[in-house]
Amino acid sequence: AQTVTQSQPEMSVQEAETVTLSCTYDTSESDYYLFWYKQPPSRQMILVIRQEAYKQQNATENRFSVNFQKAAKSFSLKISDSQLGDAAMYFCAYRSWAGNTPLVFGKGTRLSVIA
Amino acid sequence: NAGVTQTPKFQVLKTGQSMTLQCAQDMNHEYMSWYRQDPGMGLRLIHYSVGAGITDQGEVPNGYNVSRSTTEDFPLRLLSAAPSQTSVYFCASTHPETDTQYFGPGTRLTVL
Repeated sequence: AQTVTQSQPEMSVQEAETVTLSCTYDTSESDYYLFWYKQPPSRQMILVIRQEAYKQQNATENRFSVNFQKAAKSFSLKISDSQLGDAAMYFCAYRSWAGNTPLVFGKGTRLSVIA
Repeated sequence: NAGVTQTPKFQVLKTGQSMTLQCAQDMNHEYMSWYRQDPGMGLRLIHYSVGAGITDQGEVPNGYNVSRSTTEDFPLRLLSAAPSQTSVYFCASTHPETDTQYFGPGTRLTVL
């Protein structure tokens, strides 16, 4: 079974600075999807970024980018120019390429942004 | 297009009571799932469904039932509520081409 590990329960960053959240996963599959979700205090789960394992290019969405290291099974999220609105829980998640399989989540990293 | 909707947003139950958490989506997604979120535990899968009439257990299914009579609806039933079921519950549906899960707003359940 796949597992996802987020080793940083809490992180903090100064406003306008850059922060990197770590995520590692364990799988024997070669094709899969990886995701980062953001959960602000409103509780809503919001997709931040998505990566397909067969693509070597790292995904980017505005100030959010990932460092996908397939051999190392690492999928870190970099947030540039951090804003107060980035304060939230961030969850890393894995899904098999095979259809109709569950999403496996890490336990989350709580990010605080300091003004 | 409302996405994924959940009702109620908040609920308080007494031990032993039963109730149904409602979930609906209007995106015609076949795959739907229920999670519970507890502090320090992330999201854990309770049950999921790959289409109408088909359901399966996730990581923590005990004490919960589901059914999927239509593509749109995927209710979660608590048979006899226990304090250990105090949690935030999320329903989600998955886009078939991007495999991206879309979440409802969640239900905060307290069992006294």
